[in-house]
Amino acid sequence: IAGITQAPTSQILAAGRRMTLRCTQDMRHNAMYWYRQDLGLGLRLIHYSNTAGTTGKGEVPDGYSVSRANTDDFPLTLASAVPSQTSVYFCASSGGGITDTQYFGPGTRLTVL
Amino acid sequence: KQEVTQIPAALSVPEGENLVLNCSFTDSAIYNLQWFRQDPGKGLTSLLLIQSSQREQTSGRLNASLDKSSGRSTLYIAASQPGDSATYLCAVLQGAQKLVFGQGTRLTINP
Repeated sequence: IAGITQAPTSQILAAGRRMTLRCTQDMRHNAMYWYRQDLGLGLRLIHYSNTAGTTGKGEVPDGYSVSRANTDDFPLTLASAVPSQTSVYFCASSGGGITDTQYFGPGTRLTVL
Repeated sequence: KQEVTQIPAALSVPEGENLVLNCSFTDSAIYNLQWFRQDPGKGLTSLLLIQSSQREQTSGRLNASLDKSSGRSTLYIAASQPGDSATYLCAVLQGAQKLVFGQGTRLTINP
């Protein structure tokens, strides 16, 4: 079934630990994105990639890094997690054009203690 | 900085009613406006995308309008059903593929 998968579904993490959230799409979309969703703040863009090999910073990039080695995968890494990174993280992809909608994964619920 | 506002934050209506959800944005320099639906604990599902040159889009019982000059969009839902209960999010697309989201309207349709 075509779409976006994210792993893990949920995770509890000790502060200071390193964590990588995985995202894979099988739609051959050029563009991929990472958002975080927080109560009262809505969805905010963390990082994005317009095509394999390129990445860019979104609205809230601090404390996060991404890589885009190929078209399908776009992992998000928290180098040293802090409690303020407790959130629900969504990965999305799109064709990259202004008429293309974004397709979202099911999300990863991350709790940093 | 673009700001997207959705009013009301929550809405509860009886089944069968027609309803309107509102979205406003501060910067009219957008490529498109999108409406999404989010069910509890789930990801977002795209409902409608209106390009900046368009005035409206329709899909089934849903109709979305866009007035870029006034920075407003509405999502009209006809003959509401309990299955329409969800949070509805609008988002505007700016440069570098950046979607800016509103905080959503939580809609409850009562049987």
